[in-house]
Amino acid sequence: GQNIDQPTEMTATEGAIVQINCTYQTSGFNGLFWYQQHAGEAPTFLSYNVLDGLEEKGRFSSFLSRSKGYSYLLLKELQMKDSASYLCAVREVGAGNMLTFGGGTRLMVKP
Amino acid sequence: DADVTQTPRNRITKTGKRIMLECSQTKGHDRMYWYRQDPGLGLRLIYYSFDVKDINKGEISDGYSVSRQAQAKFSLSLESAIPNQTALYFCATSDYRNSYEQYFGPGTRLTVT
Repeated sequence: GQNIDQPTEMTATEGAIVQINCTYQTSGFNGLFWYQQHAGEAPTFLSYNVLDGLEEKGRFSSFLSRSKGYSYLLLKELQMKDSASYLCAVREVGAGNMLTFGGGTRLMVKP
Repeated sequence: DADVTQTPRNRITKTGKRIMLECSQTKGHDRMYWYRQDPGLGLRLIYYSFDVKDINKGEISDGYSVSRQAQAKFSLSLESAIPNQTALYFCATSDYRNSYEQYFGPGTRLTVT
């Protein structure tokens, strides 16, 4: 089984940088995904990490440390449209490579 | 055209009614999933299927059933709807060719009165 923790809510200011953390405990880690979900809409893929280190994609970056069971999503130059929930999901090889989702972090960007 | 579609997009039904939510995909993925999401909460897995002949219960399968009619179609049924099944329902697909990234349909908003 898995245990995935991320903060429930965060608030940040437009133009700033915000880091959303995700910690996990799993016996067969095989990759970590971040998804963005606007209210009432489907989750959409942001990033995927399977090896340690930082993956950068435009204003968004994701970091993984497998030894620490830790990942973060970094959002730079925040825009109002970044107000959304951010879901961390861990892939476990023992579960047929299924994803288990964390509860999500609701980010509110203020002017 | 959307790769994963869900019908209906919105549904209001009465307690005790049987309803079916349908999901179709054109991605050619073997794996399909049904999730439920309540306001302000995360995704909870109802059922999943790794191929046409495979059906597995998820975290919250009680009160639900599914049918995998073909690789491209996966239906979710509520045999006798109850008010606490009011939620947003998502279908998703995945495949080893994309590291099992899950692709979500647009969701079905179900209200049981």
